[in-house]
Amino acid sequence: DAGVTQSPTHLIKTRGQQVTLRCSPKSGHDTVSWYQQALGQGPQFIFQYYEEEERQRGNFPDRFSGHQFPNYSSELNVNALLLGDSALYLCASSLYFFVGPEAFFGQGTRLTVV
Amino acid sequence: GIQVEQSPPDLILQEGANSTLRCNFSDSVNNLQWFHQNPWGQLINLFYIPSGTKQNGRLSATTVATERYSLLYISSSQTTDSGVYFCAVEQINTGTASKLTFGTGTRLQVTL
Repeated sequence: DAGVTQSPTHLIKTRGQQVTLRCSPKSGHDTVSWYQQALGQGPQFIFQYYEEEERQRGNFPDRFSGHQFPNYSSELNVNALLLGDSALYLCASSLYFFVGPEAFFGQGTRLTVV
Repeated sequence: GIQVEQSPPDLILQEGANSTLRCNFSDSVNNLQWFHQNPWGQLINLFYIPSGTKQNGRLSATTVATERYSLLYISSSQTTDSGVYFCAVEQINTGTASKLTFGTGTRLQVTL
């Protein structure tokens, strides 16, 4: 049984470009949450998707957007990349909207903006 | 928003030593979890512990929700315990969404 799968694992982009990160949740999970982890800091909540809707959003600008597909997989899009967007982006999947004990994290996508 | 603070920020131990990591949070929460992040960035869930005490091998955790803190105990540390330990609190919003707020982390290095 595959866990949470994120792609790509590493990515280098230029300032001003756009990027799409992908997440496939653990089998049986229907909720996906995205987190940004800057170097040396704890992960920061970006948003959560459940039933193909954005249910809650953290303190991130509109340049960060997402989508959840009927098969529960999710995409995170970042427009007009800034150097400060360089970070490890983590996806967590869970059942319903509740993070709870059944939450699993993917290995992350390391984004470098140059 | 809720504040989650961890101490100490850095810890160096010799193999075999014991340690206690602390997590303080500023508001009531629905749940609390402890994670270990390995050098490759993978977050591994160690404990889901909204209250009480749990043990898993050499690790144990205690949460006192009324006093808004949690402790993670590592006994007989091994080099494989090295990495960053995060506590994260969950707050359920209006019954239809939730999020984890992570602490600042404790970076642990276990040496031979």
